[in-house]
Amino acid sequence: DAGVIQSPRHEVTEMGQEVTLRCKPISGHDYLFWYRQTMMRGLELLIYFNNNVPIDDSGMPEDRFSAKMPNASFSTLKIQPSEPRDSAVYFCASSQLRTGSDGYTFGSGTRLTVV
Amino acid sequence: AQSVTQLDSQVPVFEEAPVELRCNYSSSVSVYLFWYVQYPNQGLQLLLKYLSGSTLVESINGFEAEFNKSQTSFHLRKPSVHISDTAEYFCAVSGGSQGNLIFGKGTKLSVKP
Repeated sequence: DAGVIQSPRHEVTEMGQEVTLRCKPISGHDYLFWYRQTMMRGLELLIYFNNNVPIDDSGMPEDRFSAKMPNASFSTLKIQPSEPRDSAVYFCASSQLRTGSDGYTFGSGTRLTVV
Repeated sequence: AQSVTQLDSQVPVFEEAPVELRCNYSSSVSVYLFWYVQYPNQGLQLLLKYLSGSTLVESINGFEAEFNKSQTSFHLRKPSVHISDTAEYFCAVSGGSQGNLIFGKGTKLSVKP
C-alpha cells in the first residue's frame, strides 16, 4: 500500500480564496482524521469520519472550514474564504480502529500558506 | 477526558549521550499510550505503543518507554542517540469513551555532533 496520500504538498493562496486539500486513506481503514499543526497550538484534531460519516467536527475552527468524505477512498478539507491565520500544515491520517491501537497512519501533510 | 503533557518543548543533547523525553497523562480509565516521531517535512510515524502486558515497550531503533501507572507517565528513553534521531516526538493517549488519540504538544530532540 502506498500509505495515506495527501495533495497538494504545498499550497500558497491569497486571502479570500477557496482552498481544497485532498486525502486518500489506506484501503480498509474505516477511520479518517484531519489534523492541523501550528507552532502555537501544536497538533489539533479538526474532524474525523467513520465509514465515510462525519462523527465529530467539534475541532473545526469556523464555518469557513468544511470536510467531506464521498467514498471510502477520498476525503477533502475545504477552507472558504481562506485567511492568513489558516496558514499551517494539515495532516490526514487513517486507522482501522478509533483508539489507534493499530496505529494511525499519517500522510505527509499539506503546507498551506495564505498571504 | 484524557490529556497529555510533554514537559519539555526542546531537548538538546550530544551524539551518543542518553536521552529521556518525558510524558505524563491524565485519564480516569484504562489507556493506550503511544510515541510518534515526526522527521522534518514528514508526517507522524508510530514509534512504539503500550496496550497491555509488559510495561516496558521497545522500538526497532533502540528507543524504549515504560508505562508507570502510579506516576501516570510514559517516558521515552534511549541510552545512546544518533544524529539521525533529530526529530520531533509526540506522546499520545487514547482510551475510554473518547477513544481517538489525544496528542501532546511535542518535544523537539536535537542531537548535536
